[in-house]
Amino acid sequence: DAGVIQSPRHEVTEMGQEVTLRCKPISGHDYLFWYRQTMMRGLELLIYFNNNVPIDDSGMPEDRFSAKMPNASFSTLKIQPSEPRDSAVYFCASSFRGRGTGELFFGEGSRLTVL
Amino acid sequence: GEDVEQSLFLSVREGDSSVINCTYTDSSSTYLYWYKQEPGAGLQLLTYIFSNMDMKQDQRLTVLLNKKDKHLSLRIADTQTGDSAIYFCAESMGVMSGGGADGLTFGKGTHLIIQP
Repeated sequence: DAGVIQSPRHEVTEMGQEVTLRCKPISGHDYLFWYRQTMMRGLELLIYFNNNVPIDDSGMPEDRFSAKMPNASFSTLKIQPSEPRDSAVYFCASSFRGRGTGELFFGEGSRLTVL
Repeated sequence: GEDVEQSLFLSVREGDSSVINCTYTDSSSTYLYWYKQEPGAGLQLLTYIFSNMDMKQDQRLTVLLNKKDKHLSLRIADTQTGDSAIYFCAESMGVMSGGGADGLTFGKGTHLIIQP
């Protein structure tokens, strides 16, 4: 079975540019999470969706960040305009409530570098 | 709010046991987890423990839970070079029954360094 698929794996961009990160969750999973990982702050939950509906976006750092989930098999995280402090690894994860354990399945991450 | 604390580094000799410790704050957590992250990869679930358990063993892994002190530990027996990774402790944030599908709060991770 395919796991969580993220793209791009690496992105280098210049300050002020728009960045779009993509995620395909595991088929049948009803929760999707976006996390950001930095050395200083560790793993931070940015936003999560349940059945494509955003439930909690309190972790989104600023209005420059937005996330959408137009259907059960696709989500995007957009940063516009990007800044050097947005440099991090962004992880998408999905889970299935019916599993009962709350286990998250992670993608391999998108490493973003903003110059 | 929730907070999960871990030491940043642990160095052990190959063949010895590794013990990674974690403290958490949310006493209502239903499950507690240990995830492993290898370089350049995402996090993978190693093991989890239900909050009404004290111990769980799975091959070389032993998880101990002290609910009174809100302390969780992961013991890796006979540590191998392949165990070199970052280990994250996590607690469920959700208040719904059946597990924290509302997301997990992670510690900053413990870098396990294996000495030959």
